[in-house]
Amino acid sequence: NAGVTQTPKFQVLKTGQSMTLQCAQDMNHEYMSWYRQDPGMGLRLIHYSVGAGITDQGEVPNGYNVSRSTTEDFPLRLLSAAPSQTSVYFCASSYSNRWDEQFFGPGTRLTVL
Amino acid sequence: GENVEQHPSTLSVQEGDSAVIKCTYSDSASNYFPWYKQELGKGPQLIIDIRSNVGEKKDQRIAVTLNKTAKHFSLHITETQPEDSAVYFCAADSGGGADGLTFGKGTHLIIQP
Repeated sequence: NAGVTQTPKFQVLKTGQSMTLQCAQDMNHEYMSWYRQDPGMGLRLIHYSVGAGITDQGEVPNGYNVSRSTTEDFPLRLLSAAPSQTSVYFCASSYSNRWDEQFFGPGTRLTVL
Repeated sequence: GENVEQHPSTLSVQEGDSAVIKCTYSDSASNYFPWYKQELGKGPQLIIDIRSNVGEKKDQRIAVTLNKTAKHFSLHITETQPEDSAVYFCAADSGGGADGLTFGKGTHLIIQP
């Protein structure tokens, strides 16, 4: 199993550009989530999904969209990038819910100029 | 919503000594308290977790204690080794409604040889 994979590893955007961060898992996990990690702030939940076709907002959802058309994939879309979205983004998955072990991907480091 | 405070932000100990990291949480409905270890350039990885019906849990050199009355939980690492150097995050489930985990801001543990 590859586990949780994320692409790209690094990305530089200009303010106003859009992009999609990709996340995929091959463990047949129902629960997937996106976090952002900023220095001194820990990890903050952006969006999560409890299964295909179901998504919901976390603590910091503004400026981000998600969809879950398959069990395996959970892309995160930045519609109009802002410098405040400069961060490291982690995707995570778990078997069924937030009380199961979360398996994290390697992260995407995003810089918005 | 849930608020998790973690202390200290940096902890330096001599190899072989013990390390203790403490967290407090605000939502009395929270029931699940995991600890994650993050090595440089990688995603966090679960090292131990505890649920509210248990006061203490051990796994070799690692132990976690939970005091639900005081709403705090702690990570104890004994006989520290160089490979224990990393950033450690505590987390709590959101308890009374919203799905997801709330993370502390992290502790950078440094093991001095």
